[in-house]
Amino acid sequence: NAGVTQTPKFQVLKTGQSMTLQCAQDMNHEYMSWYRQDPGMGLRLIHYSVGAGITDQGEVPNGYNVSRSTTEDFPLRLLSAAPSQTSVYFCASSSYSKNTEAFFGQGTRLTVV
Amino acid sequence: AQSVTQLGSHVSVSEGALVLLRCNYSSSVPPYLFWYVQYPNQGLQLLLKYTSAATLVKGINGFEAEFKKSETSFHLTKPSAHMSDAAEYFCAVTPLRRSSYKLIFGSGTRLLVRP
Repeated sequence: NAGVTQTPKFQVLKTGQSMTLQCAQDMNHEYMSWYRQDPGMGLRLIHYSVGAGITDQGEVPNGYNVSRSTTEDFPLRLLSAAPSQTSVYFCASSSYSKNTEAFFGQGTRLTVV
Repeated sequence: AQSVTQLGSHVSVSEGALVLLRCNYSSSVPPYLFWYVQYPNQGLQLLLKYTSAATLVKGINGFEAEFKKSETSFHLTKPSAHMSDAAEYFCAVTPLRRSSYKLIFGSGTRLLVRP
């Protein structure tokens, strides 16, 4: 069991570039979420999904898109990167049926210059 | 709206001393509460969770937390700090039961352990 796997671990983008952060889980969890972590602010929810084909916005969704075509994968797309999106991004998954807590990936450190 | 407040962005203790990290929450419904730990350059790992069973919750690595509804608190304690406990700790709440996809986090407390 790999758990929650995020790629890449590090990324530098130029302002205006787009990219996709990958997230995959092998625990057959229904729920998946994306958070960003900024100093002194804890983690804030960007988008989440309660199942394949179902996504919704969290607290800070602007500038990000998501889709969930399979149970396992939940990619996060930055449409046009801005310096304000410099952050550490975490993907998490959890199970409604097993009522588990959220399991987190190792994070992607993104710098936008 | 639900929120979580962690008092003290940094807490410093001596090795062997009591660890107390404070967390207060606001929630209009009985919450699920969590403590997560983050070691440098790592993801978050669950320490313990409160899901309306026993109010005193025991977690990994000797940590425990007590849910006090009257004080809306869920403070994290450990009787004796170890150097390996140095990390950042996050308290989190879910606004709805069985909604662990939608965690609301506090701003975190960095624990420093002095030899």
